[in-house]
Amino acid sequence: KAGVTQTPRYLIKTRGQQVTLSCSPISGHRSVSWYQQTPGQGLQFLFEYFSETQRNKGNFPGRFSGRQFSNSRSEMNVSTLELGDSALYLCASRRVPVGGNTEAFFGQGTRLTVV
Amino acid sequence: AQSVSQHNHHVILSEAASLELGCNYSYGGTVNLFWYVQYPGQHLQLLLKYFSGDPLVKGIKGFEAEFIKSKFSFNLRKPSVQWSDTAEYFCAVMDTGRRALTFGSGTRLQVQP
Repeated sequence: KAGVTQTPRYLIKTRGQQVTLSCSPISGHRSVSWYQQTPGQGLQFLFEYFSETQRNKGNFPGRFSGRQFSNSRSEMNVSTLELGDSALYLCASRRVPVGGNTEAFFGQGTRLTVV
Repeated sequence: AQSVSQHNHHVILSEAASLELGCNYSYGGTVNLFWYVQYPGQHLQLLLKYFSGDPLVKGIKGFEAEFIKSKFSFNLRKPSVQWSDTAEYFCAVMDTGRRALTFGSGTRLQVQP
């Protein structure tokens, strides 16, 4: 069973540009969440998508957005990049059974460097 | 808002030593609890999880954790560490209503051969 796949693995962008990151969840997983990992702030929740709808959002500015497609694949977009957006962006997928609890499986991440 | 505290930021042990990493969370509602591990250059992997039931949970690679509700704690233990356990360990809490993971700041474990 393939794991969570994130593309690209590495990105270098210039301040002011925008970037789109992609995540393919594990087959059958309908919930996709995004996290930002930095040395200073650690792992922080960005947002969660389920059935193509954003269900939860973390405390990030509106420059951070995302979407989910009918096949559960997800993209996140960051507009007007700032130096502080340099981070490892992690995608996690969950199965979300009815009335049950499940764990999140993480991808390798996309390392974004803003110069 | 919930928060997770990991008290040990960097732990250095010799092989065969016992390990206990502390984790405390602040949230009064129903939570799911996790420990994740990040080996150098690899992605976050689940070590173990607690949803309900027996508060002593066993995970992969000989790790276990105990949920103590009265202390809001979920400490990770391993009786005898190996060099291959060198990694960063993250405690995480999921609010079952919000379905977002809140992570601790992580503990870097270095096991010396």
